[in-house]
Amino acid sequence: QVQLIQSGTEVKKPGASVKVSCKASGYIFSNYGVNWVRQAPGQGLEWMGWISTYNDNKNYAPKFQGRVTMTTDTSTSTAYLELGSLTSDDTAVYFCARDHGDPHPHDWGQGTLVAVSS
Amino acid sequence: EVMMTQSPATLSVSLGEGITLSCRANQSVNTFVAWYQQKPGLAPRLLIYSASTRATDIPARFTGGGSGTEFSLTISGLQSEDFAVYYCHQYNNWPLTFGGGTRVEIK
Repeated sequence: QVQLIQSGTEVKKPGASVKVSCKASGYIFSNYGVNWVRQAPGQGLEWMGWISTYNDNKNYAPKFQGRVTMTTDTSTSTAYLELGSLTSDDTAVYFCARDHGDPHPHDWGQGTLVAVSS
Repeated sequence: EVMMTQSPATLSVSLGEGITLSCRANQSVNTFVAWYQQKPGLAPRLLIYSASTRATDIPARFTGGGSGTEFSLTISGLQSEDFAVYYCHQYNNWPLTFGGGTRVEIK
């Protein structure tokens, strides 16, 4: 079955960067893109961007342009999200989610808590 | 950016009742809409995509509908496990966007 296993909790200081991983199994990794979605405490879902695992095309939400980088490693079936210049507003659970041929998030990882605090 | 507006924000219902959640887009998104259910501490769970296609293992009491700018999620005969937050999502235009959510709580 499809599984997306994310890396563990991160605690970072303001101004730092964080890199979250998402290891996929149960399907052909390069056949489906990966979305990243985050959720601040008590808030709704916020789409951050999407990356093609086939040709590395990306679409980032304008809000994160310039400080987000999405990458993939097809040799290990792993997607990565890197977010820089962290502030307390970036404290959230970050989810990866496989698409379905079209971009919608179809299968989700368990989430990674990133806490930003001085 | 396409804005997705969900209503109501909160719905208080009794077990066994049927409900309809609404989602409105500020421009046409064709039928590229998905619905998710989320419970506290868990990842969202896909219920519906392409506006009306149930995802794998989703019970028939969940029905999605609509096209263009108006969408709905109907849950017939609410069960205890259905009390959660529901989000609509459009994937017709970049950037993809989510609605603000509807909380379904026990009356």
